[in-house]
Amino acid sequence: SQQGEEDPQALSIQEGENATMNCSYKTSINNLQWYRQNSGRGLVHLILIRSNEREKHSGRLRVTLDTSKKSSSLLITASRAADTASYFCATVRSGGYNKLIFGAGTRLAVHP
Amino acid sequence: GAVVSQHPSRVICKSGTSVKIECRSLDFQATTMFWYRQFPKQSLMLMATSNEGSKATYEQGVEKDKFLINHASLTLSTLTVTSAHPEDSSFYICSATPAGLNGGTDTQYFGPGTRLTVL
Repeated sequence: SQQGEEDPQALSIQEGENATMNCSYKTSINNLQWYRQNSGRGLVHLILIRSNEREKHSGRLRVTLDTSKKSSSLLITASRAADTASYFCATVRSGGYNKLIFGAGTRLAVHP
Repeated sequence: GAVVSQHPSRVICKSGTSVKIECRSLDFQATTMFWYRQFPKQSLMLMATSNEGSKATYEQGVEKDKFLINHASLTLSTLTVTSAHPEDSSFYICSATPAGLNGGTDTQYFGPGTRLTVL
């Protein structure tokens, strides 16, 4: 399969809690990106982390990248009901064609 | 920010008909556009890469005669699902990379998607 794995597949939390989603991939990468998708809608780009970076922050989002383990995590702090969506990681392979390979995604539900 | 539109947003057609989906970059020129399909509760699967002025590059397992791609200008790529059947029902999403940027090494901009239902 061209896809990587994400876990958990589904996550249900209460507002105010933190949500952590993990992503693993199979090949060497140029960068890894996280996207959000509300039900039946297009994708919104959240954050991009390059292969030579280990951690990146954007507002309530924190992304880590461990290239030795071929894995990344997305942490959403102080979650809100509006964060309810599906979250996907996507990788761009290094030295190859510039296209995004998406992970399976995590469906996050944040309950008020 | 860069905006990508898709038209139509939703289409229902009879089995055997052909459906054309447009992907437009509204405020930038895109030398490369990508087409994805997404089944319910699943991830996006890359179908093909559309390059302005040249033939599209299809992913393994995607029928090029079934899914015709035309990238005739720097702001428009079209995907035509020929002789559509119920199994082609899916959510089709395009993305675009601004000209001059190395697509994939920087952010791709995604359209809102087109939901195709084949009866």
